[in-house]
Amino acid sequence: TQLLEQSPQFLSIQEGENLTVYCNSSSVFSSLQWYRQEPGEGPVLLVTVVTGGEVKKLKRLTFQFGDARKDSSLHITAAQPGDTGLYLCAGSPPDGQNFVFGPGTRLSVLP
Amino acid sequence: ETGVTQSPTHLIKTRGQQVTLRCSSQSGHNTVSWYQQALGQGPQFIFQYYREEENGRGNFPPRFSGLQFPNYSSELNVNALELDDSALYLCASSLDGRYTGELFFGEGSRLTVL
Repeated sequence: TQLLEQSPQFLSIQEGENLTVYCNSSSVFSSLQWYRQEPGEGPVLLVTVVTGGEVKKLKRLTFQFGDARKDSSLHITAAQPGDTGLYLCAGSPPDGQNFVFGPGTRLSVLP
Repeated sequence: ETGVTQSPTHLIKTRGQQVTLRCSSQSGHNTVSWYQQALGQGPQFIFQYYREEENGRGNFPPRFSGLQFPNYSSELNVNALELDDSALYLCASSLDGRYTGELFFGEGSRLTVL
C-alpha cells in the first residue's frame, strides 16, 4: 500500500507570512494532486502535477513535484485568511489504482 | 459548487443499525467514488462505481456495500454499524472510471454512531 505523509500537521501563521507544506512518500506516483478542504465542505482540486520536477503556479500558490515523483511541496506567498483550510495531497499510483490521500495539513491564517 | 449533492448531511445512528447514504453525481459524469474521512485524517477510499459496476475497492469490510443507478447516482450502505464508523462520508464524481482525473466532491454526509 502506497502511503503519503504530510508535514506539518498543523500550521498557524499571521496574514502576510509565507509558508511551505510538504507531501512525501517512499513510493512513486504517476501524478499528484493538491486539494483544499474548508470546514463543512468537500475537498476542492487546486492543481495536478504529472512530470517530475514540474512547477505550477496558481496566483500566490506554487506547487512543485519532486524529480523522482515521490514528493511535492506547496508554497504560499503572503498568506491571507481566505487561505485557511485543510490542504490534502493525493497521489495516483502507477498501477492505475485509486487515489491515495495524505492526512492533510491544517492551515490557519490569522488576520 | 461542484454539482455533486449528498444526503443526508448529518445523521445519528446507534451501534448495530444500518445506514444508507446517497449521492447524485455531476452532470455528464459516469463514475462515483466513496471515501471515509475520520476526524483529523485524510479521505480513505472505500470503493468506486463505473457504469453501475464496482470498479475498485479499498480496505473496507463487506458490510460496506454500494450501488450505482442508471442515472449514475449512487448509494453507500453500511450494515452492523460500529462506533469507528463515525466519520464524514464523501462522494466524488469523475469521468470514465479513471483514477487520474479531477475528483468533484460533494459536501459529505456526517455520520455519528452512538
